[in-house]
Amino acid sequence: EAGVTQFPSHSVIEKGQTVTLRCDPISGHDNLYWYRRVMGKEIKFLLHFVKESKQDESGMPNNRFLAERTGGTYSTLKVQPAELEDSGVYFCASSQDPSSTGLKGYEQYFGPGTRLTVT
Amino acid sequence: KNEVEQSPQNLTAQEGEFITINCSYSVGISALHWLQQHPGGGIVSLFMLSSGKKKHGRLIATINIQEKHSSLHITASHPRDSAVYICAVRGADGLTFGKGTHLIIQP
Repeated sequence: EAGVTQFPSHSVIEKGQTVTLRCDPISGHDNLYWYRRVMGKEIKFLLHFVKESKQDESGMPNNRFLAERTGGTYSTLKVQPAELEDSGVYFCASSQDPSSTGLKGYEQYFGPGTRLTVT
Repeated sequence: KNEVEQSPQNLTAQEGEFITINCSYSVGISALHWLQQHPGGGIVSLFMLSSGKKKHGRLIATINIQEKHSSLHITASHPRDSAVYICAVRGADGLTFGKGTHLIIQP
């Protein structure tokens, strides 16, 4: 079974440009999460999709960030326009539905991350 | 909001040593995760536990719900165990992460 995949693995862009990150969750996982780790800080939650709906987007830093999950499969996270402080590693994770799988449904499977550098 | 504290922040040990990494949190949780992040960035989930103890190979994770504390142990440590180990707790507002423990195992 394929794990969570993310694309690209690295992205270097200039301040003011636009970047789109993609996450493909494990097939059948309804829950998809985006996280970010800025250098030297802990991983922070950005948002949570259940299928195609945004369940919780309280962690999105500002309106320069737009996440979508059309059709409830893969998700994209667009940063427009990018700022220097957006640099970091963006992780995606997916999980099953805990209401049908119990505690196991809370286990999140992480992707390899996208390292974004804004210069 | 849950406060997650890990200790130590950095740990260097010799191959073969027994390693303990600690995680404390401030608010009751439904589950705690131990994650491993290798150089190069990818995160791997090691354990998810809500009570007691779990073992997987040379890794052991324990949790004490009353004391709001968890430990990750590595027996017979090996240089390939070198990584950042992250504790994350699940509460009402999702996952809250610790800053991680940077472990280096020297041959």
